[in-house]
Amino acid sequence: KAGVTQTPRYLIKTRGQQVTLSCSPISGHRSVSWYQQTPGQGLQFLFEYFSETQRNKGNFPGRFSGRQFSNSRSEMNVSTLELGDSALYLCASSLGVASTGELFFGEGSRLTVL
Amino acid sequence: AQTVTQSQPEMSVQEAETVTLSCTYDTSESDYYLFWYKQPPSRQMILVIRQEAYKQQNATENRFSVNFQKAAKSFSLKISDSQLGDAAMYFCAYRSATGTASKLTFGTGTRLQVTL
Repeated sequence: KAGVTQTPRYLIKTRGQQVTLSCSPISGHRSVSWYQQTPGQGLQFLFEYFSETQRNKGNFPGRFSGRQFSNSRSEMNVSTLELGDSALYLCASSLGVASTGELFFGEGSRLTVL
Repeated sequence: AQTVTQSQPEMSVQEAETVTLSCTYDTSESDYYLFWYKQPPSRQMILVIRQEAYKQQNATENRFSVNFQKAAKSFSLKISDSQLGDAAMYFCAYRSATGTASKLTFGTGTRLQVTL
């Protein structure tokens, strides 16, 4: 069974640009969550999508947005990039029902903003 | 809001020895999950062990076991017979079992070094 796939793995952008990151969950998983990981702030929850609907949102500005498609693949977008957006962005998938609990993570997309 | 605290930024253990990583959390909920995730230098987060709050028995996975003290809100990870491959960042995480949301709240992590 294929794991969680994130693309691209690495990318470099300049301030003011926008970026789109993609995440393909494990087959059969309907929930996709996004996390930002930085040395200073650690792992912070961005948002979660389940069956194409945003189910939960973290404390991030509106520049951060996401969506989920009917095949459960998800994208997140960051507009008007700032230097502080440089981070590892992790995607996690799960079945989406509370009884399971476990999230499976991808390898992440490393974003550098210059 | 829930919080997770890992008070040990770094730990070191000799190969074949035992090490315990600490984690405390704060919540007003009675039903939840607790996890230990491992993040090696390759970056992919891997689940090490999970504990359901309603279970009194401590979870065990091979060389990994936890000491779950619900009243004290403590959830430590013990690694026995440490191996070089255990070197990684270890994150303690909390997830509510109420509702269906999959949000994890992470601690700041403990970097584990394994020496020969």
